[in-house]
Amino acid sequence: DVKVTQSSRYLVKRTGEKVFLECVQDMDHENMFWYRQDPGLGLRLIYFSYDVKMKEKGDIPEGYSVSREKKERFSLILESASTNQTSMYLCASIPSRRTLGYTFGSGTRLTVV
Amino acid sequence: QQQVKQSPQSLIVQKGGISIINCAYENTAFDYFPWYQQFPGKGPALLIAIRPDVSEKKEGRFTISFNKSAKQFSLHIMDSQPGDSATYFCAASPGAGSYQLTFGKGTKLSVIP
Repeated sequence: DVKVTQSSRYLVKRTGEKVFLECVQDMDHENMFWYRQDPGLGLRLIYFSYDVKMKEKGDIPEGYSVSREKKERFSLILESASTNQTSMYLCASIPSRRTLGYTFGSGTRLTVV
Repeated sequence: QQQVKQSPQSLIVQKGGISIINCAYENTAFDYFPWYQQFPGKGPALLIAIRPDVSEKKEGRFTISFNKSAKQFSLHIMDSQPGDSATYFCAASPGAGSYQLTFGKGTKLSVIP
């Protein structure tokens, strides 16, 4: 089974801190994504990457950046955390055959205080 | 601008009944429409998907109906079971070579005994 592992299940950070959310997948998938999930808003795409060192903005990239130095790892960075970034963050990967569907991690619940 | 509209936000169905969740999209470039199922504490998982060249796809108790002219699609869960209680997301993807998904806001389904 493909596994997508997010490094932390719960995180509490202070306003203004730089925050790193790590995601690792073990099935050599080319494509990786970061979504945030908020009640009543569904899943919204923050950033995605189709290759190492490649990144593209999603629908809500403001306040975030990403890094993909290795194929299996895709990091989401909150440059200066704010309270409105309190959310559930989901990482996903998919091979270059979309009918196989995304594999999501279990999520990181980030609280910014 | 919300590109995939999902309704209802929540749904309560008796065991053995039919659950119906509806989605509508705006972007005519969308050509792949998956549904994801999410249980509490887990990431979403691919349930079933359809392409617009067919009007219906069935997998077990789950059926997608697709109406290309109306730009609508729906998920039907026949003989709903308490184990089907989860949040369901419809999604859409814009064409070959794209692995991005635009998600609906989700429907929380509760199947009561």
